[in-house]
Amino acid sequence: KAGVTQTPRYLIKTRGQQVTLSCSPISGHRSVSWYQQTPGQGLQFLFEYFSETQRNKGNFPGRFSGRQFSNSRSEMNVSTLELGDSALYLCASSFAGTYPNEQFFGPGTRLTVL
Amino acid sequence: EDQVTQSPEALRLQEGESSSLNCSYTVSGLRGLFWYRQDPGKGPEFLFTLYSAGEEKEKERLKATLTKKESFLHITAPKPEDSATYLCAVQEGSNSGYALNFGKGTSLLVTP
Repeated sequence: KAGVTQTPRYLIKTRGQQVTLSCSPISGHRSVSWYQQTPGQGLQFLFEYFSETQRNKGNFPGRFSGRQFSNSRSEMNVSTLELGDSALYLCASSFAGTYPNEQFFGPGTRLTVL
Repeated sequence: EDQVTQSPEALRLQEGESSSLNCSYTVSGLRGLFWYRQDPGKGPEFLFTLYSAGEEKEKERLKATLTKKESFLHITAPKPEDSATYLCAVQEGSNSGYALNFGKGTSLLVTP
């Protein structure tokens, strides 16, 4: 079974630009979550999508947004990039059933903002 | 506020020297506690799920245990290939959906 895939793997952008990251979950998984990982803050939850609806959102500004498609694939967008947005962005998928609900991570997209 | 604290931040072991990593948590209603392994530049790799106090899970040289306030990841006779960052995460559920709240991790280095 193929794992979670994320594209692109690496991105370099400049301040003020916007970026879109893509995530394809494991086949059959309906929940997709996004996380930001930085050396200082560690892994922080951004948002979760289930059945094309955002179910939960972390404490991030509105510049961070996302969506999920009918095939469960998800995208996240960051507008008006800031230097502090440089991070590893991780997508995780889960089957979406009862708790505990195990999440499986992709390799991440490394975003560098210059 | 819910919190997940891992200790130590870094740990250096000699090959074969067993030790334990700690994850203490404060959540209003635990729906699951997870251990992940993360190698540099890669996404976290799922290791274990724990839910009930007293529960134990094992995989090769790793054993995870859970109490009402903390979890331990025991590493028996580690090898250099066990070197990685080990992350603990809790899932509260309810209004939080499936969101995971992570600790900062323990960076483990096993030397030959």
